[in-house]
Amino acid sequence: DGGITQSPKYLFRKEGQNVTLSCEQNLNHDAMYWYRQDPGQGLRLIYYSQIVNDFQKGDIAEGYSVSREKKESFPLTVTSAQKNPTAFYLCATMGVRGREGNEQFFGPGTRLTVL
Amino acid sequence: GQNIDQPTEMTATEGAIVQINCTYQTSGFNGLFWYQQHAGEAPTFLSYNVLDGLEEKGRFSSFLSRSKGYSYLLLKELQMKDSASYLCAVLFSGNTGKLIFGQGTTLQVKP
Repeated sequence: DGGITQSPKYLFRKEGQNVTLSCEQNLNHDAMYWYRQDPGQGLRLIYYSQIVNDFQKGDIAEGYSVSREKKESFPLTVTSAQKNPTAFYLCATMGVRGREGNEQFFGPGTRLTVL
Repeated sequence: GQNIDQPTEMTATEGAIVQINCTYQTSGFNGLFWYQQHAGEAPTFLSYNVLDGLEEKGRFSSFLSRSKGYSYLLLKELQMKDSASYLCAVLFSGNTGKLIFGQGTTLQVKP
């Protein structure tokens, strides 16, 4: 089954601890994205990667870090420097589907709560 | 910046037609996506426009005017299950570049 997996679905951490959210895809898509969504708000871009071993900051990168060592994986670390980490985190991918243009999918999301 | 604007909330009646607008800054534009998101769930893909014109998919259609930096999502024969947030997102700079979302439009469908 092709798709994007994010684990865990719910995650609880104590304030001051770093936490890493996983995102894995088997769609063979080049681009991967991390977004944060707060209640009643839209998606804000944290980081994105267009190719292995390369990534760019999005609009709200402070307090987060990423790596892209493999095409299939784009883990996001929420560091203790992130002041308000409690949110719904969504991973997405994008690939070019020939003449049909781009195809784009989201993972199911991880809801992080920092206590 | 790369501002994307859409109305915050809309209300419509079951069986009716509703149009949700989205405007964006045109510099670096490389495609526009519409998504549906139910509360607590991930967004699901509805449509993708990169050329001017109307794309129709069943009850949902999406229109794009690149010169005006304008798109709309048209929902026909509204059903109660269409109550959700509708997100407009623009791809900037390249086929796998920066994908930026608007704030989303919360649509409430009433009987």
